[in-house]
This record gives sequence, C-alpha cells and structure tokens, in this order.
Amino acid sequence: SAVISQKPSRDICQRGTSLTIQCQVDSQVTMMFWYRQQPGQSLTLIATANQGSEATYESGFVIDKFPISRPNLTFSTLTVSNMSPEDSSIYLCSGRAYQETQYFGPGTRLLVL
Amino acid sequence: EDQVTQSPEALRLQEGESSSLNCSYTVSGLRGLFWYRQDPGKGPEFLFTLYSAGEEKEKERLKATLTKKESFLHITAPKPEDSATYLCAVSLWDKIIFGKGTRLHILP
Repeated sequence: SAVISQKPSRDICQRGTSLTIQCQVDSQVTMMFWYRQQPGQSLTLIATANQGSEATYESGFVIDKFPISRPNLTFSTLTVSNMSPEDSSIYLCSGRAYQETQYFGPGTRLLVL
Repeated sequence: EDQVTQSPEALRLQEGESSSLNCSYTVSGLRGLFWYRQDPGKGPEFLFTLYSAGEEKEKERLKATLTKKESFLHITAPKPEDSATYLCAVSLWDKIIFGKGTRLHILP
C-alpha cells in the first residue's frame, strides 16, 4: 500500500492566521488530493493537487482561502488562510495509486480559536 | 447527479452478532468501489476495492460484495475492536465520492 505522511498532526491556531500542512507520498502515487472532514461528517474534497500547475478546486473552495502547491510528484502543501473557527476540521491528504486504489494520510487536526 | 448512500447511519451489535452494511450508488462511469475503516481522529484506512458486479473480497471478519447498484460489507462474528466508522466511496475518472458512513459499535 502507498505510504502517506502529513505534518503537523495537529495544531491550535488563532483566528486570522494561516497554517500550511505538508504531505509526502511514496512513488506509487499518481494523483494527489486534499480533503476536509468536519466533526461528525464525511469527507469533502477540497481540490486535486496538480504537479507544477494550479490545483483544481471543487465547488465552494477557492484558491485564495486554500492555496495548494505540488512542486513534484511526491510532495504537496495545503495552506488554510485567514482562519476562522469554522475552519476547525481534520484535513486529509490522499493519493491515488496503481489500479485506482486511493490511500489517505493520518490527517491534520486543526482547531481555530 | 452522482450519489453514494450508506445505511444504516449507525449500528450497535453484540459481540458475535453478524450483520451487513449497505452502500448504494447512482453514478455514471464507475471505475471502482472502495471500502474504508475510520477510527476517531484518524485518516481512513483502506480495506477493499471492488471493480465489477459479482466480485467479492474478504479480510478477516469482513467480506465486501458488489452488484450493479450496491455493495455490502458483511461483518461476521464481530469483536469490540471492529468498532469504527465504515466509509464507502465510488471512484470516477477524476475523483472519488464518499458516502456519509456507518458508525458501527460492537458491545462486549
């Protein structure tokens, strides 16, 4: 199975600040994605991270709020900008490997005060 | 509209009491169906991928099956450590769509 790591694993942030989450995947992964999971809810896709170009965002998510980079095949970052308490969630990095199987990182638990 | 529906939302079973979780879907261009297990505060853990109707896969006490309209996750003689949220997701060409999950609680 693909190995996906994220950091930080958790953080507590003040309103109005920004947090960058890093994701490292192993070489089996071809596509990378970022998800958000709010308390008690299922996973919501934020965007597909494209190597060397702008990410593809889902409806309701914009680049100014969630800038994403993917400078190479195995690394991506998600920034949560100008945070508010409503941004408190688990943020998950995900990678699709051979034969479509999609794996998830351990998640970053974010609490905004 | 592509949609994935899981039922029941929550299920409480006694240890050893077998049951099934359902995932029904209406999508165009299904490339595969995934089952995941998620423990509180953690990322989803991959369990199975099913690609075609009639396919079955097993892992320990879990067996997943697939028809043209739905998938079942059968849990045989569950133990308390099987307590978790089980997520179903369908793979389209460019993304996967998740159901809302079934919260399973196994009582000792």
